[in-house]
Amino acid sequence: DAGITQSPRHKVTETGTPVTLRCHQTENHRYMYWYRQDPGHGLRLIHYSYGVKDTDKGEVSDGYSVSRSKTEDFLLTLESATSSQTSVYFCAIARVNGRAGTNNEQFFGPGTRLTVL
Amino acid sequence: AQSVTQPDIHITVSEGASLELRCNYSYGATPYLFWYVQSPGQGLQLLLKYFSGDTLVQGIKGFEAEFKRSQSSFNLRKPSVHWSDAAEYFCAVGAGSGYSTLTFGKGTMLLVSP
Repeated sequence: DAGITQSPRHKVTETGTPVTLRCHQTENHRYMYWYRQDPGHGLRLIHYSYGVKDTDKGEVSDGYSVSRSKTEDFLLTLESATSSQTSVYFCAIARVNGRAGTNNEQFFGPGTRLTVL
Repeated sequence: AQSVTQPDIHITVSEGASLELRCNYSYGATPYLFWYVQSPGQGLQLLLKYFSGDTLVQGIKGFEAEFKRSQSSFNLRKPSVHWSDAAEYFCAVGAGSGYSTLTFGKGTMLLVSP
């Protein structure tokens, strides 16, 4: 357990409305990630953060924005939700292997199921 | 760019039988390889990882995986499957050095028959 919580856990919204998902961690990890999971596609990276106010795009970033104003929180915003954004969203943190100089060991939150009608 | 292929979308195994889930990766340098498991409605749990050293790595729940560089593979094995192993399994690859992101395969759903 890497102390990751996600809120809300379930949300139903309508097309065109803004939606913000929150990821909260308690272990002061530098790296945080947002993924979406869809049947037949596995996990796809949306955005990630490598520090406060430092973020970058992933594979499927269109239609999403993120913010990280403090270490423990990483927010994912859908500016105007569409039905194609119906998915399960996972947040993850990475534990840094200082000896190896890598950050690849990721641990996941419980997920948020988002339905856009 | 790195990529992962899990050739089997679904696999059905009888309880007590052995299991092998296949994973092939593409990465130009030394990879960092992972297997995750996801039970229905849950998040992903790390089963095991390979970075360097012994190519046969042991994980939790009695799983092991073998890294074969010549075949670009990292197959997951278990000698005797239990009904509770029914879940979806994901292989992932990351850079073996430096700070990067992971690339996941599309997953293999394991069904366990009585």
